[in-house]
Amino acid sequence: NAGVMQNPRHLVRRRGQEARLRCSPMKGHSHVYWYRQLPEEGLKFMVYLQKENIIDESGMPKERFSAEFPKEGPSILRIQQVVRGDSAAYFCASSRDRDEWQFFGPGTRLTVL
Amino acid sequence: LAKTTQPISMDSYEGQEVNITCSHNNIATNDYITWYQQFPSQGPRFIIQGYKTKVTNEVASLFIPADRKSSTLSLPRVSLSDTAVYYCLVGARTLTGTASKLTFGTGTRLQVTL
Repeated sequence: NAGVMQNPRHLVRRRGQEARLRCSPMKGHSHVYWYRQLPEEGLKFMVYLQKENIIDESGMPKERFSAEFPKEGPSILRIQQVVRGDSAAYFCASSRDRDEWQFFGPGTRLTVL
Repeated sequence: LAKTTQPISMDSYEGQEVNITCSHNNIATNDYITWYQQFPSQGPRFIIQGYKTKVTNEVASLFIPADRKSSTLSLPRVSLSDTAVYYCLVGARTLTGTASKLTFGTGTRLQVTL
Protein backbone atom coordinates (compact mmCIF):
# COMPACT_ATOMS: atom_id res chain seq x y z
CA ASN A 1 0.00 0.00 0.00
CA ALA A 2 1.97 2.96 -1.29
CA GLY A 3 1.93 6.11 0.75
CA VAL A 4 1.43 9.65 -0.44
CA MET A 5 3.63 10.30 -3.47
CA GLN A 6 5.04 13.67 -4.41
CA ASN A 7 7.08 14.63 -7.43
CA PRO A 8 9.45 15.99 -8.16
CA ARG A 9 11.30 15.69 -4.87
CA HIS A 10 13.52 18.60 -5.79
CA LEU A 11 12.69 21.43 -8.16
CA VAL A 12 14.88 24.33 -9.18
CA ARG A 13 13.39 27.33 -10.94
CA ARG A 14 14.63 30.77 -11.89
CA ARG A 15 12.72 33.85 -10.85
CA GLY A 16 9.70 34.40 -13.08
CA GLN A 17 9.29 30.76 -14.10
CA GLU A 18 6.40 28.50 -13.19
CA ALA A 19 6.60 25.65 -10.68
CA ARG A 20 4.26 22.65 -10.79
CA LEU A 21 4.20 20.31 -7.83
CA ARG A 22 2.33 17.01 -8.01
CA CYS A 23 0.75 14.92 -5.28
CA SER A 24 -0.77 11.46 -5.61
CA PRO A 25 -2.77 10.60 -2.49
CA MET A 26 -2.83 7.23 -0.83
CA LYS A 27 -5.06 4.64 -2.46
CA GLY A 28 -8.65 5.19 -1.42
CA HIS A 29 -8.03 8.76 -0.26
CA SER A 30 -10.02 11.54 -1.91
CA HIS A 31 -9.02 14.45 0.32
CA VAL A 32 -5.75 16.31 -0.25
CA TYR A 33 -4.06 19.03 1.78
CA TRP A 34 -1.07 21.19 0.87
CA TYR A 35 1.33 22.69 3.42
CA ARG A 36 4.41 24.88 3.06
CA GLN A 37 7.45 24.75 5.33
CA LEU A 38 9.93 27.58 5.27
CA PRO A 39 13.45 26.90 6.61
CA GLU A 40 13.55 26.45 10.40
CA GLU A 41 9.76 26.81 10.66
CA GLY A 42 6.80 24.53 11.14
CA LEU A 43 4.38 23.56 8.40
CA LYS A 44 1.75 26.10 7.40
CA PHE A 45 -1.58 25.05 5.91
CA MET A 46 -2.25 26.28 2.39
CA VAL A 47 -5.24 24.56 0.83
CA TYR A 48 -7.61 21.62 1.24
CA LEU A 49 -9.16 19.92 -1.77
CA GLN A 50 -11.54 17.10 -2.44
CA LYS A 51 -11.88 15.64 -5.91
CA GLU A 52 -12.60 18.53 -8.30
CA ASN A 53 -13.41 20.91 -5.43
CA ILE A 54 -11.47 23.40 -3.34
CA ILE A 55 -12.83 23.13 0.19
CA ASP A 56 -10.61 25.60 2.04
CA GLU A 57 -7.96 27.84 0.50
CA SER A 58 -7.59 30.20 3.44
CA GLY A 59 -3.83 29.62 3.62
CA MET A 60 -3.10 30.23 -0.05
CA PRO A 61 -1.44 33.48 -1.11
CA LYS A 62 -3.94 35.52 -3.12
CA GLU A 63 -1.73 35.83 -6.19
CA ARG A 64 0.40 33.44 -8.25
CA PHE A 65 -0.66 30.31 -6.34
CA SER A 66 -3.35 27.87 -7.43
CA ALA A 67 -4.27 24.29 -6.71
CA GLU A 68 -6.40 21.66 -8.35
CA PHE A 69 -7.38 18.05 -7.79
CA PRO A 70 -8.95 16.75 -11.00
CA LYS A 71 -11.24 13.76 -11.25
CA GLU A 72 -8.39 11.77 -12.76
CA GLY A 73 -4.73 12.22 -11.90
CA PRO A 74 -2.75 13.85 -9.14
CA SER A 75 -3.37 17.06 -7.29
CA ILE A 76 -1.25 19.92 -8.59
CA LEU A 77 0.00 22.99 -6.78
CA ARG A 78 0.99 25.64 -9.30
CA ILE A 79 3.13 28.66 -8.54
CA GLN A 80 3.39 31.21 -11.31
CA GLN A 81 6.21 33.74 -11.69
CA VAL A 82 8.16 32.32 -8.77
CA VAL A 83 10.18 34.60 -6.49
CA ARG A 84 13.02 33.75 -4.12
CA GLY A 85 10.61 33.86 -1.15
CA ASP A 86 8.76 30.86 -2.62
CA SER A 87 11.78 28.67 -1.85
CA ALA A 88 10.48 26.15 0.68
CA ALA A 89 9.45 22.55 1.19
CA TYR A 90 5.90 21.86 0.04
CA PHE A 91 4.16 18.91 1.65
CA CYS A 92 1.03 17.16 0.56
CA ALA A 93 -1.14 15.09 2.87
CA SER A 94 -4.18 12.94 2.16
CA SER A 95 -7.04 11.41 4.08
CA ARG A 96 -9.78 8.95 3.26
CA ASP A 97 -12.49 11.23 4.52
CA ARG A 98 -12.78 14.75 5.85
CA ASP A 99 -12.87 13.59 9.43
CA GLU A 100 -10.02 11.11 9.21
CA TRP A 101 -6.33 11.45 9.88
CA GLN A 102 -3.91 13.00 7.37
CA PHE A 103 -0.88 11.11 6.08
CA PHE A 104 1.99 13.18 4.73
CA GLY A 105 4.12 12.74 1.65
CA PRO A 106 7.91 13.25 1.51
CA GLY A 107 7.64 16.78 0.19
CA THR A 108 8.94 18.74 -2.78
CA ARG A 109 11.82 21.10 -2.13
CA LEU A 110 11.55 24.14 -4.34
CA THR A 111 14.59 26.34 -4.84
CA VAL A 112 14.21 29.62 -6.69
CA LEU A 113 17.42 31.04 -8.05
CA LEU B 1 -6.18 26.14 17.71
CA ALA B 2 -4.51 26.58 21.09
CA LYS B 3 -0.99 27.98 21.12
CA THR B 4 1.75 25.57 22.16
CA THR B 5 5.19 26.19 23.61
CA GLN B 6 7.97 23.63 23.57
CA PRO B 7 11.77 23.79 23.88
CA ILE B 8 13.59 24.71 20.71
CA SER B 9 16.13 21.93 21.05
CA MET B 10 17.26 19.06 23.25
CA ASP B 11 20.31 16.82 23.29
CA SER B 12 20.51 13.26 24.51
CA TYR B 13 22.82 10.29 24.49
CA GLU B 14 21.84 7.02 22.94
CA GLY B 15 20.04 4.71 25.35
CA GLN B 16 18.64 7.47 27.55
CA GLU B 17 14.99 8.31 28.08
CA VAL B 18 13.96 11.65 26.60
CA ASN B 19 11.04 13.73 27.86
CA ILE B 20 9.80 16.66 25.81
CA THR B 21 7.26 18.91 27.48
CA CYS B 22 4.73 21.06 25.67
CA SER B 23 2.75 23.87 27.30
CA HIS B 24 -0.78 24.58 26.09
CA ASN B 25 -2.43 26.80 28.69
CA ASN B 26 -5.43 27.62 26.49
CA ILE B 27 -6.36 24.09 25.52
CA ALA B 28 -10.10 23.71 24.93
CA THR B 29 -12.20 21.10 26.66
CA ASN B 30 -12.70 19.15 23.45
CA ASP B 31 -9.07 19.21 22.25
CA TYR B 32 -6.81 16.20 21.95
CA ILE B 33 -3.02 16.51 22.13
CA THR B 34 -1.08 15.04 19.23
CA TRP B 35 2.64 14.59 18.64
CA TYR B 36 4.33 14.33 15.25
CA GLN B 37 7.89 13.42 14.33
CA GLN B 38 9.70 14.83 11.30
CA PHE B 39 13.00 13.51 9.99
CA PRO B 40 15.11 15.70 7.70
CA SER B 41 13.79 15.75 4.14
CA GLN B 42 10.62 13.88 5.09
CA GLY B 43 7.03 14.73 5.90
CA PRO B 44 5.71 14.67 9.47
CA ARG B 45 4.75 11.31 10.88
CA PHE B 46 2.11 10.74 13.57
CA ILE B 47 3.58 9.40 16.83
CA ILE B 48 0.94 9.46 19.53
CA GLN B 49 -2.27 11.15 20.57
CA GLY B 50 -4.13 11.50 23.85
CA TYR B 51 -6.84 13.34 25.72
CA LYS B 52 -5.97 12.78 29.40
CA THR B 53 -3.82 10.77 31.81
CA LYS B 54 -1.44 8.44 29.99
CA VAL B 55 -1.26 6.87 26.57
CA THR B 56 1.39 4.37 25.50
CA ASN B 57 2.14 2.74 22.17
CA GLU B 58 5.09 0.87 20.72
CA VAL B 59 7.00 4.09 20.04
CA ALA B 60 6.33 6.48 22.92
CA SER B 61 4.29 7.44 25.96
CA LEU B 62 2.26 10.58 26.43
CA PHE B 63 1.63 11.96 29.91
CA ILE B 64 -1.14 14.50 30.43
CA PRO B 65 -1.78 15.97 33.90
CA ALA B 66 -5.26 16.52 35.23
CA ASP B 67 -5.39 20.22 34.27
CA ARG B 68 -4.28 19.35 30.69
CA LYS B 69 -2.31 22.60 30.41
CA SER B 70 0.81 20.70 29.45
CA SER B 71 1.83 17.31 28.12
CA THR B 72 5.04 15.31 28.04
CA LEU B 73 6.19 13.07 25.24
CA SER B 74 8.45 10.32 26.57
CA LEU B 75 10.77 8.39 24.27
CA PRO B 76 12.31 5.38 26.01
CA ARG B 77 15.93 4.48 25.28
CA VAL B 78 16.48 6.72 22.29
CA SER B 79 18.75 5.75 19.44
CA LEU B 80 20.57 7.80 16.82
CA SER B 81 17.62 7.27 14.49
CA ASP B 82 15.36 9.21 16.86
CA THR B 83 17.17 12.42 15.88
CA ALA B 84 14.33 14.50 14.45
CA VAL B 85 12.02 17.44 15.10
CA TYR B 86 9.06 16.72 17.36
CA TYR B 87 5.89 18.77 17.09
CA CYS B 88 3.13 19.13 19.68
CA LEU B 89 -0.30 19.93 18.23
CA VAL B 90 -3.45 20.81 20.13
CA GLY B 91 -6.87 20.65 18.56
CA ALA B 92 -5.86 18.62 15.52
CA ARG B 93 -8.42 16.22 16.81
CA THR B 94 -11.31 17.03 19.12
CA LEU B 95 -14.01 15.04 20.83
CA THR B 96 -16.29 15.92 17.91
CA GLY B 97 -13.99 15.39 14.96
CA THR B 98 -10.68 15.98 13.18
CA ALA B 99 -9.40 19.33 11.99
CA SER B 100 -8.73 19.78 8.31
CA LYS B 101 -6.07 22.40 9.02
CA LEU B 102 -3.15 21.20 11.12
CA THR B 103 -1.07 23.92 12.76
CA PHE B 104 2.57 23.14 13.45
CA GLY B 105 4.80 25.31 15.62
CA THR B 106 8.58 25.29 15.31
CA GLY B 107 8.86 22.05 17.24
CA THR B 108 11.69 20.63 19.36
CA ARG B 109 14.83 19.56 17.58
CA LEU B 110 16.15 16.42 19.31
CA GLN B 111 19.76 15.48 18.68
CA VAL B 112 20.84 12.03 19.82
CA THR B 113 24.55 11.23 19.97
CA LEU B 114 26.68 8.27 21.01
